Amino acid sequence: NAGVTQTPKFQVLKTGQSMTLQCAQDMNHEYMSWYRQDPGMGLRLIHYSVGAGITDQGEVPNGYNVSRSTTEDFPLRLLSAAPSQTSVYFCASSYSIRGPHEQYFGPGTRLTVT
Amino acid sequence: DQQVKQNSPSLSVQEGRISILNCDYTNSMFDYFLWYKKYPAEGPTFLISISSIKDKNEDGRFTVFLNKSAKHLSLHIVPSQPGDSAVYFCAARNRGISNFGNEKLTFGTGTRLTIIP
Repeated sequence: NAGVTQTPKFQVLKTGQSMTLQCAQDMNHEYMSWYRQDPGMGLRLIHYSVGAGITDQGEVPNGYNVSRSTTEDFPLRLLSAAPSQTSVYFCASSYSIRGPHEQYFGPGTRLTVT
Repeated sequence: DQQVKQNSPSLSVQEGRISILNCDYTNSMFDYFLWYKKYPAEGPTFLISISSIKDKNEDGRFTVFLNKSAKHLSLHIVPSQPGDSAVYFCAARNRGISNFGNEKLTFGTGTRLTIIP
């Protein structure tokens, strides 16, 4: 199994540009989520999905959209990039939402918005 | 409002000695706690967890202790090894705000552990 994969690894955007961060898992996990990691802030939940077709907001959803059309894929869309979205983004998945809640994380995407 | 706090940004420990990483929380609705380990340029990996109905959970060199009255948990690594050098995140589940049970974790800010050979 490849586990959780994320592309790209690095990305530089100009303010106002849009892009999609890709996330895929091959473990047939029902739960997937996106986090951002900022210095001194820990990991903060952006959006999550408890199954194909079901998504919901996390702690910091503004400026981001998600969709879950398949079990495997959970892309994160930045609609109009802002410097405040400069961060490292992690996608994670879990076999079950019912716990214990051990999430498997991807390697991350480092995004810089200028 | 930081509901999960890791007040030590960094910790250095001699190889072979015990490493103790601490985590405090404020929300009494947290019912499940997890520790994740993160190496540079990688995603976090799950290390160990504990339910709020227990006060100790052990897995090899790693033991997590929970003191509910003090709202404090700690991760003990014995003996510490050079490969343990990483950032450690404490995370907590709030069963009270979750529709399904597990979908929202709150993470601390992390503690960078350095093992000195």
